[in-house]
Amino acid sequence: DTGVSQDPRHKITKRGQNVTFRCDPISEHNRLYWYRQTLGQGPEFLTYFQNEAQLEKSRLLSDRFSAERPKGSFSTLEIQRTEQGDSAMYLCASSLGKDTRYEQYFGPGTRLTVT
Amino acid sequence: AQSVTQLGSHVSVSEGALVLLRCNYSSSVPPYLFWYVQYPNQGLQLLLKYTSAATLVKGINGFEAEFKKSETSFHLTKPSAHMSDAAEYFCAVSGRGGGSNYKLTFGKGTLLTVNP
Repeated sequence: DTGVSQDPRHKITKRGQNVTFRCDPISEHNRLYWYRQTLGQGPEFLTYFQNEAQLEKSRLLSDRFSAERPKGSFSTLEIQRTEQGDSAMYLCASSLGKDTRYEQYFGPGTRLTVT
Repeated sequence: AQSVTQLGSHVSVSEGALVLLRCNYSSSVPPYLFWYVQYPNQGLQLLLKYTSAATLVKGINGFEAEFKKSETSFHLTKPSAHMSDAAEYFCAVSGRGGGSNYKLTFGKGTLLTVNP
């Protein structure tokens, strides 16, 4: 068990460019979550997958954001036409089981800076 | 709807002193409650969780928390602070069961500083 991994760890991009982040969950976990954390705040929920199905998207996830989880394995989060307000830490988490008592394991995050 | 309030964005203690980090929650359904710790430039690590009838929960690194339904609180304590405890701590709530209760709602965090 190597834990949740995220790539890249840091990304600097210019406003208007597209970026894509990858998350590899713990292998047997069927649930995968994306959160966004801005400076001085706690993480905020963005979206959630159960296996390959995306079951909910937060209002924070504008049309410029898209997430996928092909075959229920790794997940990608793409941001199109990045804006300075997108600068944040993007955290991925995974969990096992059908009940929320199963804890979410977090990856190290991808820090995005939009210049 | 669920929410978490962490009282005190910054707590400073001396090494060996009691650590008390406060968390109050609001939930329309019976909650599960969690405390996570975050070290600089790292993800979140679970310290402890309340998911059962046992209201006093023990976690890693000597931390514990008590669920008090009447006070809607889940404060985190540690009898004796260590320098390695310096980090940011987040309280989080989720609903029970499946459906839409899966997502965690976090507080804004409390930065713990430990002075030698």
